[in-house]
Amino acid sequence: ILNVEQSPQSLHVQEGDSTNFTCSFPSSNFYALHWYRWETAKSPEALFVMTLNGDEKKKGRISATLNTKEGYSYLYIKGSQPEDSATYLCASDSGYALNFGKGTSLLVTP
Amino acid sequence: ETGVTQTPRHLVMGMTNKKSLKCEQHLGHNAMYWYKQSAKKPLELMFVYSLEERVENNSVPSRFSPECPNSSHLFLHLHTLQPEDSALYLCASSQDFAALAESTDTQYFGPGTRLTVL
Repeated sequence: ILNVEQSPQSLHVQEGDSTNFTCSFPSSNFYALHWYRWETAKSPEALFVMTLNGDEKKKGRISATLNTKEGYSYLYIKGSQPEDSATYLCASDSGYALNFGKGTSLLVTP
Repeated sequence: ETGVTQTPRHLVMGMTNKKSLKCEQHLGHNAMYWYKQSAKKPLELMFVYSLEERVENNSVPSRFSPECPNSSHLFLHLHTLQPEDSALYLCASSQDFAALAESTDTQYFGPGTRLTVL
């Protein structure tokens, strides 16, 4: 994998559903994996930075895992709420620059 | 609020105009960045400044000219742009450049300037 890939591109779930998305990144020259949450017309907001294989981070109902050997990270949202609607970006950090994926656009409807 | 502000939030300009985008960070960071996001593309890094010196220029056309007068301010001067330059331009800052891997530091983004070139 040369670029950072995110899937799915978009997701529509009902309030209360749990959901997850995937970020795939080059496993060579890896230093850290960043997740951001980006609401329309606002600044991207940093969620997690993970560096070690097997890392798991949690913030409220949102959690993330990291597998550096195979080059992927999962973001989980438990019990989605309408306010979780946003684009979720991941970025691979080479120690020199952040290389972003295109994001997963999440819509949570009541 | 992330501590990074950008002005203006929206800008419409003709191809012969000269305009500037401004970014200010109130976080005491040493590194600042310009990113471009075109429709259906990922964020693309344009310029990086560390301690007010440019350290990265990702083959950006010379019609985009950055300026970093001090560690809190970053400008992007625009001159004779093309319609395909219409995009969202985001500014970001981090504590240090090329030190992200040594800590849990991350980049803090402004809300962006939506630029339309007619």
